[in-house]
Amino acid sequence: DAGVTQSPTHLIKTRGQHVTLRCSPISGHKSVSWYQQVLGQGPQFIFQYYEKEERGRGNFPDRFSARQFPNYSSELNVNALLLGDSALYLCASSLIGTGDTEAFFGQGTRLTVV
Amino acid sequence: AQTVTQSQPEMSVQEAETVTLSCTYDTSESDYYLFWYKQPPSRQMILVIRQEAYKQQNATENRFSVNFQKAAKSFSLKISDSQLGDAAMYFCAYRSLPNTGNQFYFGTGTSLTVIP
Repeated sequence: DAGVTQSPTHLIKTRGQHVTLRCSPISGHKSVSWYQQVLGQGPQFIFQYYEKEERGRGNFPDRFSARQFPNYSSELNVNALLLGDSALYLCASSLIGTGDTEAFFGQGTRLTVV
Repeated sequence: AQTVTQSQPEMSVQEAETVTLSCTYDTSESDYYLFWYKQPPSRQMILVIRQEAYKQQNATENRFSVNFQKAAKSFSLKISDSQLGDAAMYFCAYRSLPNTGNQFYFGTGTSLTVIP
């Protein structure tokens, strides 16, 4: 079975642009979460989606948005990119939104803002 | 909000020896989950071991074991018989029960080097 897949793997954008990152969860997993990992830091929670609804949001500005599709894949959108948005963006999927403790992570998208 | 602290940015261990990585956390919740994740250069976070706070018995997974001290809010990871493949960043993580928030809170990580 395929694990969590994220695309693209690497991305370079210019300040002020917007970016869309994509995540496909493990088959059967209905919950997707997004994390931002700045170099030298641990991942920081951005969003959680379950059954296409937002179930949690971290302390990130409104420039960050996300959505989940009927097939449970997800997109993370970031508008008006800043240099500080440069990071590894991780997607994690879980079997269900509640009651399951384990999350499976993708390999991430490395975003560089110049 | 919950916080997770890893006070050892870097650790090294001789191959076949034992190493312990430290983690402390702060929470007002009485029940929760704790994890150790490994992140090799490939970037993918891999679950090493997890502990339910309501269980007093320390979790063990082959060469990996934890020392969970709930009152002290301490959750250390012991790696026995270290192997070259254990070299990676190790993150301690906290997760609330689903009805109080389902996201992970990660520490800043410990970079483990295994010396042949």
